[in-house]
Amino acid sequence: SQELEQSPQSLIVQEGKNLTINCTSSKTLYGLYWYKQKYGEGLIFLMMLQKGGEEKSHEKITAKLDEKKQQSSLHITASQPSHAGIYLCGADNNAGNMLTFGGGTRLMVKP
Amino acid sequence: NAGVMQNPRHLVRRRGQEARLRCSPMKGHSHVYWYRQLPEEGLKFMVYLQKENIIDESGMPKERFSAEFPKEGPSILRIQQVVRGDSAAYFCASSTNSQGNEQYFGPGTRLTVT
Repeated sequence: SQELEQSPQSLIVQEGKNLTINCTSSKTLYGLYWYKQKYGEGLIFLMMLQKGGEEKSHEKITAKLDEKKQQSSLHITASQPSHAGIYLCGADNNAGNMLTFGGGTRLMVKP
Repeated sequence: NAGVMQNPRHLVRRRGQEARLRCSPMKGHSHVYWYRQLPEEGLKFMVYLQKENIIDESGMPKERFSAEFPKEGPSILRIQQVVRGDSAAYFCASSTNSQGNEQYFGPGTRLTVT
């Protein structure tokens, strides 16, 4: 079965700093999803990447998919306290039935 | 356009009781997925349903757990004779179809078994 490993597991940054979260898959990535979860709440969809080399941006968040490395990265520019939360990457099983999730990266942004 | 709705948001049950969790998908979505997030663990897939059909239940525990998505009404995740180990956050997601479309998640139901 596919496994996703996220790094780092937790991250504390000063407001205004840039940061990167990585998600590495044990198998070929067919679709890679990034979600954000605030404590006690549901998952907020951020971005979906499907093609090798694909890069998408939303406000100050950019995600890239490196198909050869079976890896995706999420980059936040000029972090703000509102970026704090748990970032989860998820990969579909190519049948589209389900998502396998990484363990999450807990981000804290110090004002 | 309302998002995925789940109720109740919090549910407390004593050991041996039944828990019923409801999920109403986003308008226009006909595919529903249930996931479970155990304390200090990641999010795990449980079951994938379309209207009146269970498509993939490979993540469901073999006993006490069942799910349905009737022609009318919300999807229901049912847990019979709950045990303390069932305490978790249960999330429902929906999508327009199963092929490469993003899944939108509900706020979750937090089940506590006392």
